[in-house]
Amino acid sequence: GNSVTQMEGPVTLSEEAFLTINCTYTATGYPSLFWYVQYPGEGLQLLLKATKADDKGSNKGFEATYRKETTSFHLEKGSVQVSDSAVYFCALGGTSYGKLTFGQGTILTVHP
Amino acid sequence: DTGVSQDPRHKITKRGQNVTFRCDPISEHNRLYWYRQTLGQGPEFLTYFQNEAQLEKSRLLSDRFSAERPKGSFSTLEIQRTEQGDSAMYLCASSLWDSLSGNTIYFGEGSWLTVV
Repeated sequence: GNSVTQMEGPVTLSEEAFLTINCTYTATGYPSLFWYVQYPGEGLQLLLKATKADDKGSNKGFEATYRKETTSFHLEKGSVQVSDSAVYFCALGGTSYGKLTFGQGTILTVHP
Repeated sequence: DTGVSQDPRHKITKRGQNVTFRCDPISEHNRLYWYRQTLGQGPEFLTYFQNEAQLEKSRLLSDRFSAERPKGSFSTLEIQRTEQGDSAMYLCASSLWDSLSGNTIYFGEGSWLTVV
């Protein structure tokens, strides 16, 4: 079945540091890939997506490239801010109706 | 453009009581999903509607859980005879599939359930 594995957290960085959160997946067919962000006490917000191999999703300075050869969709940001502190979820949409399979989430804390 | 709306946002109930959550999806979205999220975990799929038809239910959805989407718009999720293990955040999400952009799922802010 489909599965998503994210790097273990929590991740703690200083402001303006470079961020990478690793995500790898197992799926049949050609899934879409997503990153969602969750702020404390809130629901999930779509951060970015990619629907086919070699696509790059980007939003708010975050980027992720769909790598079919390595089955990965790593999230990166060149310079994090304190406001980026949140939980980040990698997700895979693999069925005809798009049911999402989530990773376990990575907690990011950014200090001033 | 309003997002996915859920009500109530928080519910505390005694074990054995019934609770019902309501979800209003983004207008014109034909797909509606329910997920459950426990602390420190990613959301887990519960069930999915295409318009008013419930097309899949996870095995996580025991017979104490029932979901409806009677007119293909809002949806309700009812939990009967609640147990402490039902304490979680219940997330509703919706989407509109199209051939160009595929299926992007948008989530509401969730309904927190605490069973005491």
